Amino acid sequence: DQQVKQNSPSLSVQEGRISILNCDYTNSMFDYFLWYKKYPAEGPTFLISISSIKDKNEDGRFTVFLNKSAKHLSLHIVPSQPGDSAVYFCAALDPGTYKYIFGTGTRLKVLA
Amino acid sequence: EAGVAQSPRYKIIEKRQSVAFWCNPISGHATLYWYQQILGQGPKLLIQFQNNGVVDDSQLPKDRFSAERLKGVDSTLKIQPAKLEDSAVYLCASSPGGVGLNTEAFFGQGTRLTVV
Repeated sequence: DQQVKQNSPSLSVQEGRISILNCDYTNSMFDYFLWYKKYPAEGPTFLISISSIKDKNEDGRFTVFLNKSAKHLSLHIVPSQPGDSAVYFCAALDPGTYKYIFGTGTRLKVLA
Repeated sequence: EAGVAQSPRYKIIEKRQSVAFWCNPISGHATLYWYQQILGQGPKLLIQFQNNGVVDDSQLPKDRFSAERLKGVDSTLKIQPAKLEDSAVYLCASSPGGVGLNTEAFFGQGTRLTVV
């Protein structure tokens, strides 16, 4: 049973425009969420996180929004750059075991 | 600060052979994770250590996979015997860990295993 879902396997965006990546979760006990970025042949690298006490967290071009009632979060990248082309994983930290539960990823392609 | 180190980077073995992966986490990180990432899927937790104790190994196929974290630092993951479906990237990650500590995990570059 997939507790963290990313329903869009891929997304293409023009350079300079906004990229919006979506993530849904099923467990209402999750209270800390993360986004990771992964380039080919590399491990995932941490991008940004959000705690459930907030509904928004911003770091430069990256903003994560959390809608707890909908069990939904999204990552906005503005403006998108070709170097942002990668696979993005949404993850939740299980508050019981402190293991990270990942979605299946969204492959973002930013077109120059 | 040195990151999470993994070796080897790539490994090709025949089915029914054995293989071992090594991980050196970030110094001082209490929690160490082994994840399996099959192509097109997200990372799936195999085993989680807190210091040298196992916290969660519910997804580890224990008939063929084993892992240890001696002295609460380095860790090895072994597969014996390997099956074709074990072809994946094996990722090691570490975090400062601890109950009540919300923080990110840091990943190594992974070991790409191909079983033929």
